Amino acid sequence: DTAVSQTPKYLVTQMGNDKSIKCEQNLGHDTMYWYKQDSKKFLKIMFSYNNKELIINETVPNRFSPKSPDKAHLNLHINSLELGDSAVYFCASSQQNYGYTFGSGTRLTVV
Amino acid sequence: GDSVTQMEGPVTLSEEAFLTINCTYTATGYPSLFWYVQYPGEGLQLLLKATKADDKGSNKGFEATYRKETTSFHLEKGSVQVSDSAVYFCALSDPSQGGKLIFGQGTELSVKP
Repeated sequence: DTAVSQTPKYLVTQMGNDKSIKCEQNLGHDTMYWYKQDSKKFLKIMFSYNNKELIINETVPNRFSPKSPDKAHLNLHINSLELGDSAVYFCASSQQNYGYTFGSGTRLTVV
Repeated sequence: GDSVTQMEGPVTLSEEAFLTINCTYTATGYPSLFWYVQYPGEGLQLLLKATKADDKGSNKGFEATYRKETTSFHLEKGSVQVSDSAVYFCALSDPSQGGKLIFGQGTELSVKP
């Protein structure tokens, strides 16, 4: 199936830990994104990569570090997790700003 | 910067009622406009889109028209079903802003039988 897939779907971890979320798309899209959805359902972009190059970095703490080994993958690594990092994180991809496809989300809970 | 404003929810309707969810936007360029839907516990699905003024997007009985003069993209459906219960997001993508999607705050719709 053509899709954006992200793993894991659920992630529960303690404060101070380091964790990663992986994302892969097989749609052939050039651009990939990470969005954060807070407890009030508000969605905000965090990062965008185009062909492995960072093009958007929206005032995100430097504990968050995206990595794009190739244009089909965009992973998110988070250091020193804090309670406020608890949210749902969505990966997405797009082609020429017209077709955005989202992954099913990773629910991160920091305890 | 660019922004999207949606009517606040939650919106509660009876089955077969008419639905309107208001959405207005501000943009410096010429954005494309979108409606996304998020069903409980799921990710975001594209519902419909419009890429230029006066375009009408439609899907599954939902419609929205890109109105440049009023900077609006209101979502409508003539007869809602219980299965339409979800959170609806209006969004824009402005090429002059790097193509990122900028979302409204979401409107929760609950349809009762």
